[in-house]
Amino acid sequence: GQSLEQPSEVTAVEGAIVQINCTYQTSGFYGLSWYQQHDGGAPTFLSYNGLDGLEETGRFSSFLSRSDSYGYLLLQELQMKDSASYFCAYGSSNTGKLIFGQGTTLQVKP
Amino acid sequence: DARVTQTPRHKVTEMGQEVTMRCQPILGHNTVFWYRQTMMQGLELLAYFRNRAPLDDSGMPKDRFSAEMPDATLATLKIQPSEPRDSAVYFCASGSGGSGANVLTFGAGSRLTVL
Repeated sequence: GQSLEQPSEVTAVEGAIVQINCTYQTSGFYGLSWYQQHDGGAPTFLSYNGLDGLEETGRFSSFLSRSDSYGYLLLQELQMKDSASYFCAYGSSNTGKLIFGQGTTLQVKP
Repeated sequence: DARVTQTPRHKVTEMGQEVTMRCQPILGHNTVFWYRQTMMQGLELLAYFRNRAPLDDSGMPKDRFSAEMPDATLATLKIQPSEPRDSAVYFCASGSGGSGANVLTFGAGSRLTVL
């Protein structure tokens, strides 16, 4: 079947580093994306990994290992505004559709 | 900034009524997705179009839901008849590129409440 697994909640303090893991199971994997969603808002694109390795965008980095069907989002120098839900999503090369995980709620505390 | 426009932003209706949600994707984007979000189900894919052709609507309850893209500037999601369990936020998103479009721009969503 097709599925993604990520932790439901993560808590960290301002200035810290947090890693949100995502494992997936699918046939026809095209790449792993990460989206951020604040309460009451729409998901917004953060990062995409089409190949194995690390992609860095400012304070955010994302990693993919196709052989392990695993990826993570790394958030550094956490700020209060980073409190949000973070979704991993995979693109299916078979169907072209984008499937989202259940999301991880990150709470950043002072 | 280019944006995906969804209407209505909020809709309260009674059970049994027809609901139509509209989406204007970003000009030049060739993929359009409809997602439903509830606390319990996360972001659930309902339907997916590429170049206006419906490619996948396996996540959509066929007996009451229908999705169409009458032209490149308009996608619609219709529920008839609506039920209280349809209460959710419905997001439209558009993207460009070939298979496995991974970078989507989401609209602000349509919050539906069915009484």
